[in-house]
Amino acid sequence: AQRVTQPEKLLSVFKGAPVELKCNYSYSGSPELFWYVQYSRQRLQLLLRHISRESIKGFTADLNKGETSFHLKKPFAQEEDSAMYYCALSAGNNRKLIWGLGTSLAVNP
Amino acid sequence: NAGVTQTPKFRVLKTGQSMTLLCAQDMNHEYMYWYRQDPGMGLRLIHYSVGEGTTAKGEVPDGYNVSRLKKQNFLLGLESAAPSQTSVYFCASSYLPNTEAFFGQGTRLTVV
Repeated sequence: AQRVTQPEKLLSVFKGAPVELKCNYSYSGSPELFWYVQYSRQRLQLLLRHISRESIKGFTADLNKGETSFHLKKPFAQEEDSAMYYCALSAGNNRKLIWGLGTSLAVNP
Repeated sequence: NAGVTQTPKFRVLKTGQSMTLLCAQDMNHEYMYWYRQDPGMGLRLIHYSVGEGTTAKGEVPDGYNVSRLKKQNFLLGLESAAPSQTSVYFCASSYLPNTEAFFGQGTRLTVV
């Protein structure tokens, strides 16, 4: 079955510390993976996708097919990074998005 | 550029009442989606549409109906609201299912 797992509901770090939000997926085909972010009182928006291999707002994510992971990383967290982060997998014949449950990141001053 | 607009933003319903949530997008996207977001449950797909005049069930379709009479609009209906339908509802659209999804600002619905 296709599944996305974000093992941490809440992640709390101090400003300037490295942060890693974990995402593991289950899919036998070629996955397409995304990270979406929802800042307080704002709509969900795309942060990055593995195909583009970009760094957005200092965040990067590398697809590791061997470990079936797509962890989101940032070397130095900022307070404005505090938000809800969702990992999503596009899979199956219809390529519908399958969502993780989300990780709430709190960056403390 | 409005993107995806949801109407209304807030609503309180009594059990048994009906209502329709409107989603409008101006990006000429084929794919549109309705999700509900509940604490600890993440985003769950209610219904989706792959084009004008077509709709399909997601993972939690019971108690909801949808219509896509015009390409730019995707309506979500609750025929007889129940307290279990208290949630935040998000509409989204995308050009293709595996491309960036654009979300509306959400509708906070409370059923008492």
